[in-house]
Amino acid sequence: DTGVSQDPRHKITKRGQNVTFRCDPISEHNRLYWYRQTLGQGPEFLTYFQNEAQLEKSRLLSDRFSAERPKGSFSTLEIQRTEQGDSAMYLCASSLAGTGAGNTIYFGEGSWLTVV
Amino acid sequence: QKEVEQDPGPLSVPEGAIVSLNCTYSNSAFQYFMWYRQYSRKGPELLMYTYSSGNKEDGRFTAQVDKSSKYISLFIRDSQPSDSATYLCALNYGGATNKLIFGTGTLLAVQP
Repeated sequence: DTGVSQDPRHKITKRGQNVTFRCDPISEHNRLYWYRQTLGQGPEFLTYFQNEAQLEKSRLLSDRFSAERPKGSFSTLEIQRTEQGDSAMYLCASSLAGTGAGNTIYFGEGSWLTVV
Repeated sequence: QKEVEQDPGPLSVPEGAIVSLNCTYSNSAFQYFMWYRQYSRKGPELLMYTYSSGNKEDGRFTAQVDKSSKYISLFIRDSQPSDSATYLCALNYGGATNKLIFGTGTLLAVQP
């Protein structure tokens, strides 16, 4: 299967620690997105990359969050000084650039974060 | 006011029933309309993609868009227990970002 891959799938961390999630998109996709989903809510957009350039960041992405896509392939999302409110599922998605049926966004299985 | 409103349910139906799931939206600038299915603790999976008013059918699933009323629907015929999941509507303004705006999701349980 060559879908969007995320690692780790689950992470439990203590408040104040840093965590990093990795995403490997579908290989031919040049767009990569990060979303956050809390229980009972739909996913919320955090940021997206086209190739290695980070083109948009949501106001939800505080300065404790940083995302990179250094070579335009995989991406990492780091959360520094985690807070209990950061507990959520972090979803990575990828697509081809542009919109329309040929640019469908495909999601990974998500990385669950629990901050205790 | 949220950009996209969706009844969170839960919605419980017997096997074989026709299910109707709905979302309303506030901004007529939305151009693309999608339905995703999400099983518990999994990522969303695309079910249907539409970009104009009218109906689109795929097997047991029919997506309906009414742009004049800012209302979208997903119908599931002959519902199966395996359809039990959360159904998320997702809308897109088009343009450069291709960013999706999701509803809260409706939790569906199909009872055998």
